[in-house]
Amino acid sequence: GQNIDQPTEMTATEGAIVQINCTYQTSGFNGLFWYQQHAGEAPTFLSYNVLDGLEEKGRFSSFLSRSKGYSYLLLKELQMKDSASYLCAGTFNQGGKLIFGQGTELSVKP
Amino acid sequence: DTEVTQTPKHLVMGMTNKKSLKCEQHMGHRAMYWYKQKAKKPPELMFVYSYEKLSINESVPSRFSPECPNSSLLNLHLHALQPEDSALYLCASSTHGDGNQPQHFGDGTRLSIL
Repeated sequence: GQNIDQPTEMTATEGAIVQINCTYQTSGFNGLFWYQQHAGEAPTFLSYNVLDGLEEKGRFSSFLSRSKGYSYLLLKELQMKDSASYLCAGTFNQGGKLIFGQGTELSVKP
Repeated sequence: DTEVTQTPKHLVMGMTNKKSLKCEQHMGHRAMYWYKQKAKKPPELMFVYSYEKLSINESVPSRFSPECPNSSLLNLHLHALQPEDSALYLCASSTHGDGNQPQHFGDGTRLSIL
């Protein structure tokens, strides 16, 4: 299968920068999504990368290297409300099926 | 607030009951999805409908029966569920079902099986 790996937990300080890494198997890979999910709420779409490089969207940026099977989500100027689970998800040659990683639980501390 | 609306928000049912979960979107999306999510785990895909036709069934037990009456509605009929089926059930939609557009999720139905 297409394993998606990301760290289980991360902790960072308010105002700092944090990078959440995600690796995947490159065979059949199409594109990579990042979602944010607060406890008890729906996942919300953050970014989609299909080409190599960095996509910047406000305080959040996402990077993709297709050849290395690697992506990261960069969060700048962290705020307490950024405490959430961050889900890395890829699509492969299986149509509309999203393959999720286990999610990274980010705790932002004062 | 999300643009995908799910009802009910909470549901408690016995193992012999029959109930249905409902999902609605008015974004003109032609692909709709059902996911199951356990605590501290990512969503697990159950079903995909593309242009009102079932395109993916992830070997889901027959006690879960999906239905797509039209392009805006998606139902999940439940019958004879087991305690391990207790979870958050998420509906999502996307423009098409080819995997190249983001999926928009509803807030989910929290299901408890007694």
